[in-house]
Amino acid sequence: EPEVTQTPSHQVTQMGQEVILRCVPISNHLYFYWYRQILGQKVEFLVSFYNNEISEKSEIFDDQFSVERPDGSNFTLKIRSTKLEDSAMYFCASRSLGGVTDTQYFGPGTRLTVL
Amino acid sequence: AQKVTQAQTEISVVEKEDVTLDCVYETRDTTYYLFWYKQPPSGELVFLIRRNSFDEQNEISGRYSWNFQKSTSSFNFTITASQVVDSAVYFCALSEENARDTGKLIFGQGTTLQVKP
Repeated sequence: EPEVTQTPSHQVTQMGQEVILRCVPISNHLYFYWYRQILGQKVEFLVSFYNNEISEKSEIFDDQFSVERPDGSNFTLKIRSTKLEDSAMYFCASRSLGGVTDTQYFGPGTRLTVL
Repeated sequence: AQKVTQAQTEISVVEKEDVTLDCVYETRDTTYYLFWYKQPPSGELVFLIRRNSFDEQNEISGRYSWNFQKSTSSFNFTITASQVVDSAVYFCALSEENARDTGKLIFGQGTTLQVKP
């Protein structure tokens, strides 16, 4: 069964450093998402991406964040200068073309720890 | 404004008991979609069900059942004869059909279910 994959599973970084979180969505999917979950809290929407551009972003997704689909398979989230409060689990999700009725499938997440 | 409320923060039951997880949502859209996801201790988010606003039929899948009531804006989830493996955090989520069709999910706070042997 196709699945969303994410690397690394755990990333530890120093405050102020840049990190890139990587995702490989399900191959025939066209909509891509990043969500984050601070420990013990709810899952929060960060950004959606379709047709090589951001289609919506939340207030959390400020200038420190960027997304890219550098090739036909990867979807990345970059945090330019990490802060302590960026420590969280970051989930990538994808869904196929077919309108909002289609289900988003999530990757296993990357746990980001900022020291 | 869209919002999902899961008022139960934690529920603890003994194995084989039935348990219902509540979800109440707010939306101005007439077309929307409701979801339940399970997050086991390992951390991943596992899709359980999707429901659209035009389909109020209840659904049963094995020990799981869902009750969707538009009149009360609720989409409750019942586990029958709970098992220890059901222990997880359960999230209810809402997606609105808007002009941008981004399909973003708005999650509730989650309900932690602990099933004791």
